[in-house]
Amino acid sequence: DVKVTQSSRYLVKRTGEKVFLECVQDMDHENMFWYRQDPGLGLRLIYFSYDVKMKEKGDIPEGYSVSREKKERFSLILESASTNQTSMYLCAVCGPLNTEAFFGQGTRLTVV
Amino acid sequence: AQKVTQAQTEISVVEKEDVTLDCVYETRDTTYYLFWYKQPPSGELVFLIRRNSFDEQNEISGRYSWNFQKSTSSFNFTITASQVVDSAVYFCALRSADSNYQLIWGAGTKLIIKP
Repeated sequence: DVKVTQSSRYLVKRTGEKVFLECVQDMDHENMFWYRQDPGLGLRLIYFSYDVKMKEKGDIPEGYSVSREKKERFSLILESASTNQTSMYLCAVCGPLNTEAFFGQGTRLTVV
Repeated sequence: AQKVTQAQTEISVVEKEDVTLDCVYETRDTTYYLFWYKQPPSGELVFLIRRNSFDEQNEISGRYSWNFQKSTSSFNFTITASQVVDSAVYFCALRSADSNYQLIWGAGTKLIIKP
């Protein structure tokens, strides 16, 4: 199985801080995704990437940016954290169409 | 348009009861893949099963079984003799070329198994 590692399990940041959430995979999969999960709203796609230096906006990209300089690493950036970005953030990785996604353990971010 | 509907927001049953979680999907593609994931209270999503659109055989894995019916665009998940450890949020998802290879997620069903 693919191993997906998110840099932090829990994170507390102040409003206005720049926040980096890192996701690293140990396989050579092209597709990487960042989701946020809030109670009652399911999984919402923020950004995804199909290759190095390639990124596409998901359903809720506002307030976020991403970086993929190396194939194994996909970073989510909150340029200026706000309290409404308090959430659970999940990174996912998948290979070709006929494969499942593998998830990291999630990062619970609290912005105070 | 691609869509996955899990109409049951929350289900609560007593241990040892059987329970079925519903999943209805929409896609124009003829080739697609359906998935079920489990999210226990710890938060990490755990992959349970993948089914492709050309394989309508039902699958059984221990107490878990899945019923895929293309005629009704459904991919339902049944837990037999439920246990407290089955308590989790369960997500159904769809992936196809028409979704640009992204996973389209249902809203999830929270399953509570009471002792």
